[in-house]
Amino acid sequence: QKEVEQNSGPLSVPEGAIASLNCTYSDRGSQSFFWYRQYSGKSPELIMFIYSNGDKEDGRFTAQLNKASQYVSLLIRDSQPSDSATYLCAAGSRGSNYKLTFGKGTLLTVNP
Amino acid sequence: DTGVSQDPRHKITKRGQNVTFRCDPISEHNRLYWYRQTLGQGPEFLTYFQNEAQLEKSRLLSDRFSAERPKGSFSTLEIQRTEQGDSAMYLCASSTGTAPYEQYFGPGTRLTVT
Repeated sequence: QKEVEQNSGPLSVPEGAIASLNCTYSDRGSQSFFWYRQYSGKSPELIMFIYSNGDKEDGRFTAQLNKASQYVSLLIRDSQPSDSATYLCAAGSRGSNYKLTFGKGTLLTVNP
Repeated sequence: DTGVSQDPRHKITKRGQNVTFRCDPISEHNRLYWYRQTLGQGPEFLTYFQNEAQLEKSRLLSDRFSAERPKGSFSTLEIQRTEQGDSAMYLCASSTGTAPYEQYFGPGTRLTVT
């Protein structure tokens, strides 16, 4: 059973702080990893993807991938109240038609 | 560039009725995926199309579920003889045929079976 695990939270951080979201995956064949943001009642919105070991930065967001540890993380710098949402980690692989296996998501709350 | 669209956005139906949902992917995307999401869970894969070919179906997709993608453009997902357990958000996503095959989701169809 291919699994993606995330802490369900809630994770609460003050405005302006760094939020750190973590994810582990069980399938070593996973090649691409995605972070989606989902507001309550809405559909997932892609915010970042990563497929090479190391860090990838995009504005206030940094994704980190460690394939040896099967670990993916997302850092959100200068967190804003509008970042309050559920963050979903997903993994895909060529062998599975790149269908995504999602974690249950981590609920992030940024307090003003 | 318009995003993925889904119709209807909400559907309330009585148990035993049939329902059909439509998804229009981003125009240049040849890959289309259907997922189902229930409260507190991440989306779960249902089925995958590459162009008009349905290449993979999840074991979650019972024989009451059928999906099509005629001409490789829009897709439909039909649920026959709906059950209360079918109540969920049905999400459609599309992607290009090049790595990393990132998927973009539509707004979803929320199904409530009473």
